Order: sequence, then structure tokens, then C-alpha cells
Amino acid sequence: DTAVSQTPKYLVTQMGNDKSIKCEQNLGHDTMYWYKQDSKKFLKIMFSYNNKELIINETVPNRFSPKSPDKAHLNLHINSLELGDSAVYFCASSQGLALRETQYFGPGTRLLVL
Amino acid sequence: ELKVEQNPLFLSMQEGKNYTIYCNYSTTSDRLYWYRQDPGKSLESLFVLLSNGAVKQEGRLMASLDTKARLSTLHITAAVHDLSATYFCAVASDSNYQLIWGAGTKLIIKP
Repeated sequence: DTAVSQTPKYLVTQMGNDKSIKCEQNLGHDTMYWYKQDSKKFLKIMFSYNNKELIINETVPNRFSPKSPDKAHLNLHINSLELGDSAVYFCASSQGLALRETQYFGPGTRLLVL
Repeated sequence: ELKVEQNPLFLSMQEGKNYTIYCNYSTTSDRLYWYRQDPGKSLESLFVLLSNGAVKQEGRLMASLDTKARLSTLHITAAVHDLSATYFCAVASDSNYQLIWGAGTKLIIKP
């Protein structure tokens, strides 16, 4: 059983399109995250939700909009895709906010904007 | 603002050798994580260090935390090719409920 799953794994699209990435965790965790990893492997937190409430909202273009329909799901919608959005997007989950528990990562979604 | 620095950022070594990766951070924190990422893969948790003086070992990897020096080390003993990966440290920031990540150390172990 996959703990944290993401779909799709690969996404190739044209500039200006709108796309969504879905994430689901079956670990019973109450906190979920979206990270962006650029070509130099640098990891940057984008958003975090705890029990469906937005906790972290880093400096991210408002073209990116997360949605958490329930605590097991955190989706990421991206409007008007730009070349610079090309990256690997990782979803992660953990138990609680105190960061004393490990974050478990999904397999990543490799987004390429042409 | 919490900042995390890893060094070296790139390390190429021969099998059988020992080496250490360093993770320095700029403000007080007592929670530090080490993760491994294989090329094209996701991140896998290696160690969680939750107190000053914590030491954890798994196989040829040993991690330690010195909160007073704001330093964690990941020591590799008698490296084998399978340990080739990128290793990240991440430090918990209490002020904004997030992990601050180092830039990663790309480790290549040559047979």
C-alpha cells in the first residue's frame, strides 16, 4: 500500500495551460505539504495544511492554489503555467504541527512546461 | 530567520573510505532530520534527531546532533556504492511550523 501517492507522475504541458496535481495519504496524518524541487535539487515549501486548514503559505505566485477537501487529500491547481514552473512537485504528510514526526514524501510529479 | 547550510555540496569518494557531511543551522532548534534522495526518486527519511547529543546509526550511516554548536553530522563508514545519493538535512523552525532544508549533498561512491 502506497503511503503518500501523487497523480500524475509526469505532466508535460504548454505555457498558459491550467493543470492540477492530486495527492492522497493513507497514513492517518493530519498535516500535508506541497514542496517544489528545482533543477538544482533545492527544496522549497509552498503550502501546508493541518486538518484542512491552511497553515503555511509561502511566497508563491497566486497562480498556485491548494485545496484540501479532507485531511487525507491535498491538491494543487496551477493556472496559466509558465516556463519557470517546470520542476518536481512533492507532496508530503506528517502527524501534527510540532515537527517531531517524520514527513513522508510522495513519489513526486515531474512538470515540464513547454 | 533560520538558515541551514550543508557542506560539502558535492562529494566523490572511493568505496571503503570514511567521510562526514556537515549541517549547520543559524538559530535554536532541537529537531533535525536527515533524508536521502536517489536520482529521480522521492525523499526517504533516514534519521530524526530530537535532542542535544542524540546519535543514531543505521548500517554504515551515523548521525549526531549538537544543538549548542548548531551542528549535525552524517558520518559514512566504509562507503559502498549503494550509498550514492543526495543527502538532505532539514531543521525544524518553531516560528512557522516548517522544515528549513539544506541544499543537499550529492554523494558519489566509486567502486
